[in-house]
Amino acid sequence: DTGVSQDPRHKITKRGQNVTFRCDPISEHNRLYWYRQTLGQGPEFLTYFQNEAQLEKSRLLSDRFSAERPKGSFSTLEIQRTEQGDSAMYLCASSWGQGGITAKNIQYFGAGTRLSVL
Amino acid sequence: GQQVMQIPQYQHVQEGEDFTTYCNSSTTLSNIQWYKQRPGGHPVFLIQLVKSGEVKKQKRLTFQFGEAKKNSSLHITATQTTDVGTYFCAGEGGSEKLVFGKGTKLTVNP
Repeated sequence: DTGVSQDPRHKITKRGQNVTFRCDPISEHNRLYWYRQTLGQGPEFLTYFQNEAQLEKSRLLSDRFSAERPKGSFSTLEIQRTEQGDSAMYLCASSWGQGGITAKNIQYFGAGTRLSVL
Repeated sequence: GQQVMQIPQYQHVQEGEDFTTYCNSSTTLSNIQWYKQRPGGHPVFLIQLVKSGEVKKQKRLTFQFGEAKKNSSLHITATQTTDVGTYFCAGEGGSEKLVFGKGTKLTVNP
């Protein structure tokens, strides 16, 4: 199966440490999205890439968060100086999207990385 | 910014009963998508609605998109235990990102 894969599946860290997550999208998809999901909530948009360009970042994303997609394939999400409030499931999704074509951009999600900050 | 509200937050039904969840956006949408998330799982795409007034069916599931493209509903006929999970609507507005509702968690008593 060549779906969206995320690594690691679980991460436990101490407050103040840095963590990095990886997402490998479906290979033919040009768009990659990062979301955060906490218990009882829907996925909350963080940022997205079209190819290697980061096109939008949520205003909720603090300066401690950074994402890259250097070659337009896999992406990494780094959280610096983690806080307990960062504990959540971090979901990655990919899609094939073309601007102006609305019947596209169906997003396929990975299994997520569950972060616990102690 | 764009907001997507979804009700109810929880729904408990007996197996065989029908179930409906409603979704409302604060802004007009270019399309709306529905996802299902099983307990411990990740969101899985169900369907996308693009046209005003569109109705689509998938077996026992019926999806509707409102005439004003601001609201949508998902109706399940004769629920089964396999329908258990949280159903999310997600709207795409002017920007090419999805705004998710908080979801409706469905439990089905056998």
